Amino acid sequence: AQKITQTQPGMFVQEKEAVTLDCTYDTSDPSYGLFWYKQPSSGEMIFLIYQGSYDQQNATEGRYSLNFQKARKSANLVISASQLGDSAMYFCAMREDTGGFKTIFGAGTRLFVKA
Amino acid sequence: DGGITQSPKYLFRKEGQNVTLSCEQNLNHDAMYWYRQDPGQGLRLIYYSQIVNDFQKGDIAEGYSVSREKKESFPLTVTSAQKNPTAFYLCASSRRLAGDFREQYFGPGTRLTVT
Repeated sequence: AQKITQTQPGMFVQEKEAVTLDCTYDTSDPSYGLFWYKQPSSGEMIFLIYQGSYDQQNATEGRYSLNFQKARKSANLVISASQLGDSAMYFCAMREDTGGFKTIFGAGTRLFVKA
Repeated sequence: DGGITQSPKYLFRKEGQNVTLSCEQNLNHDAMYWYRQDPGQGLRLIYYSQIVNDFQKGDIAEGYSVSREKKESFPLTVTSAQKNPTAFYLCASSRRLAGDFREQYFGPGTRLTVT
């Protein structure tokens, strides 16, 4: 069963506007972590933001924030004030604590920022 | 500068040939990993190693083999038994076995094309 779902294959956003990338997940483990990564065309994986399942507040890292809705099992990434350099693939991922060190990825969303 | 090197960046092979992808790190990390990424997909774990002379299968190990004779090196061999070897291969390392990519350092990747 697919555990991470990213329903938006591609998204366009105007420079300086905010954009939300969707992610839903499925797990029966009460303890888990959710991550977002950015992958530019060069290929490296860049960590953006992390949300633990027991965290009471939504995570924020600079222009990135994670809209965590536990009951709905969603962990959407919000990028504020988009920049041209934000154009990349974005992956949502989950690590279940009972799964040890393995991390499961979604299929990704390609973000295009327009000037 | 400490980091991970993967060579070559692009690799082309004929079907039926084995090919070995290089991964070297000078970070003094104990754990090393190999991931595969297909177009529009996230990373999937092929093999990992916690210590020299020890390695474990990941989620998609069939058709691949690895060795860990030195702490710094973790080469991946894509054998002729791998049905769909064309993909982007990423090597990573971490101080300890970790599912949190904040702790993993990635190499630049090798793009393998088999025709």
